[in-house]
Amino acid sequence: QKEVEQNSGPLSVPEGAIASLNCTYSDRVSQSFFWYRQYSGKSPELIMSIYSNGDKEDGRFTAQLNKASQYVSLLIRDSQPSDSATYLCAVITGGKNGNQFYFGTGTSLTVIP
Amino acid sequence: NAGVTQTPKFRILKIGQSMTLQCTQDMNHNYMYWYRQDPGMGLKLIYYSVGAGITDKGEVPNGYNVSRSTTEDFPLRLELAAPSQTSVYFCASSPTRGGHNEQFFGPGTRLTVL
Repeated sequence: QKEVEQNSGPLSVPEGAIASLNCTYSDRVSQSFFWYRQYSGKSPELIMSIYSNGDKEDGRFTAQLNKASQYVSLLIRDSQPSDSATYLCAVITGGKNGNQFYFGTGTSLTVIP
Repeated sequence: NAGVTQTPKFRILKIGQSMTLQCTQDMNHNYMYWYRQDPGMGLKLIYYSVGAGITDKGEVPNGYNVSRSTTEDFPLRLELAAPSQTSVYFCASSPTRGGHNEQFFGPGTRLTVL
């Protein structure tokens, strides 16, 4: 079982709609969760971090964490064509080497004008 | 701050050649990481370091070596390059390994082995 799993997509939404990206993780003791955005040919950049159950909002982005279900999601409101990118979910887990980052394979999002 | 810098940006190697990918960070971060990303795939950890003089293997270390003589630098060495090492390589750093601290990525090195 992979540490972090994401639906690879592609996910297409019309401009102005809400895009919903989902991620599940396997290590129940994971404490820190991140969403990175990666444009084609570029490096990942952090857009959201969340550490506690519930919602965390930052502008058009909302991260949701449910530790009981081992589920973290990212909602993008009023989606814009500039949001078209691959979104990587990352989790810090216990792991065999202590706390370690694990990345999902990413979900490709296309926002259609 | 320049953040995390990587050189070169692009490189083409012949099978069997060797090279070193350079990575430098100026944020005084203790932890540094090397990842590879194959087309359409996620990031796979090659090696990481928790501080100067300390390195450890990640998920895909075969064919690579690292060293960490200073806090700032974390070079990745490829010996006997193979086509399977064609990939984009990202270096990253973070203030601590666990806790709440995110990783900051360099711009990447695109390597092709022919």
